[in-house]
Amino acid sequence: DARVTQTPRHKVTEMGQEVTMRCQPILGHNTVFWYRQTMMQGLELLAYFRNRAPLDDSGMPKDRFSAEMPDATLATLKIQPSEPRDSAVYFCASGNLVGEQYFGPGTRLTVT
Amino acid sequence: SQKIEQNSEALNIQEGKTATLTCNYTNYSPAYLQWYRQDPGRGPVFLLLIRENEKEKRKERLKVTFDTTLKQSLFHITASQPADSATYLCALDGGGNKLVFGAGTILRVKS
Repeated sequence: DARVTQTPRHKVTEMGQEVTMRCQPILGHNTVFWYRQTMMQGLELLAYFRNRAPLDDSGMPKDRFSAEMPDATLATLKIQPSEPRDSAVYFCASGNLVGEQYFGPGTRLTVT
Repeated sequence: SQKIEQNSEALNIQEGKTATLTCNYTNYSPAYLQWYRQDPGRGPVFLLLIRENEKEKRKERLKVTFDTTLKQSLFHITASQPADSATYLCALDGGGNKLVFGAGTILRVKS
């Protein structure tokens, strides 16, 4: 049963610390997306890749967020330095050729 | 600017009835539209995709319609069950396989 995995599932950190979230997409899917979900803003697209190449990161605060895909089995989202307003659930999703997206369980980030 | 609207209030229905959720959009011409289900503490789960040239699509107890003239999609769950209680998200094609999500509608099915 192919599924997207994300680590860690929960992260509590202090303001100013670096946070790295990892995602393993479904093998064979050609697109990987990073989303952030909050009660106020809903589900927002931060960045996405196609065939490991970054296509759009316009949803990300560029000064502190970075997204990479070092190989086909790993995507990372890094926040440095983290701020309390970054507290949210971060989802990774992988997409197939017809546009369906399959989400991971999310990383719940709390920045104090 | 592009805008997606879903019922902001929760939909409460009785078990066995048909639930109908609405997704309206403006300033968009999406090539397709998708519906996802999200349970508390979990990621969204893909349910159905409907293309602009399709009027209706069905999957088991689910039915989706897509009216590009009205700029509206309706999502129906027939013979609803308490296990159908969740938040349902509408998502529109944002180009390049990107999706733009609505805020979601909470569905509560009472036995």
